[in-house]
Amino acid sequence: EVQLLESGGGLVQPGGSLRLSCAASGFTFSSYAMSWVRQAPGKGLEWVSAISGSGGSTYYADSVKGRFTISRDNSKNTLYLQMNSLRAEDTAVYYCAKDQRYSSSSDYYYGMDVWGQGTTVTVSS
Amino acid sequence: DIQMTQSPSSLSASVGDRVTITCRASQSISSYLNWYQQKPGKAPKLLIYAASSLQSGVPSRFSGSGSGTDFTLTISSLQPEDFATYYCQQSYSTPRVTFGPGTKVDIK
Repeated sequence: EVQLLESGGGLVQPGGSLRLSCAASGFTFSSYAMSWVRQAPGKGLEWVSAISGSGGSTYYADSVKGRFTISRDNSKNTLYLQMNSLRAEDTAVYYCAKDQRYSSSSDYYYGMDVWGQGTTVTVSS
Repeated sequence: DIQMTQSPSSLSASVGDRVTITCRASQSISSYLNWYQQKPGKAPKLLIYAASSLQSGVPSRFSGSGSGTDFTLTISSLQPEDFATYYCQQSYSTPRVTFGPGTKVDIK
């Protein structure tokens, strides 16, 4: 069964740090780009960061650039999100997601086809 | 950045109703449009990719259409398990994707 399991969330003070993990199983982890998506309480979905299958390319939303670092350990089938200088507005449920590539006759399309259950990050004093 | 809008923001419908949700992109995104369903306390679930392709395992009552800037998600006959929030997402600028604000479908 294809599965993603996040961990590492919790309560942290403003300015603090936290590292989230996402353990993958049931698929060839290194073959897929992965993303982090967050959802603030009562709000919509916000893409946070993505990483290529090899880990050689990383991407960030402007709201977290310079504060968050995405990484992966393909030998451990695990995705990470290191979050530093946390702010109240980073409070959210954080989901990891697998980026699936779909082929058509003329192009490639991408969708997040597998999601973890989410881990809650609360930034508050 | 590509901005996504959805309408309506919420709707009330009855079991068996035909439901249509609209999504609009701030610029042309061809067919790089996905739809997700999210139930309270759960992770989103991919329903439609590439604007009109049904994700494996998703019931055929769900369908998507559109290209360019205007897209629709249609539920042909609403079922009790379909009451949820629906999000569109552009994948034109993958991996820097953006989501619409969501449409909540609840019971009339």
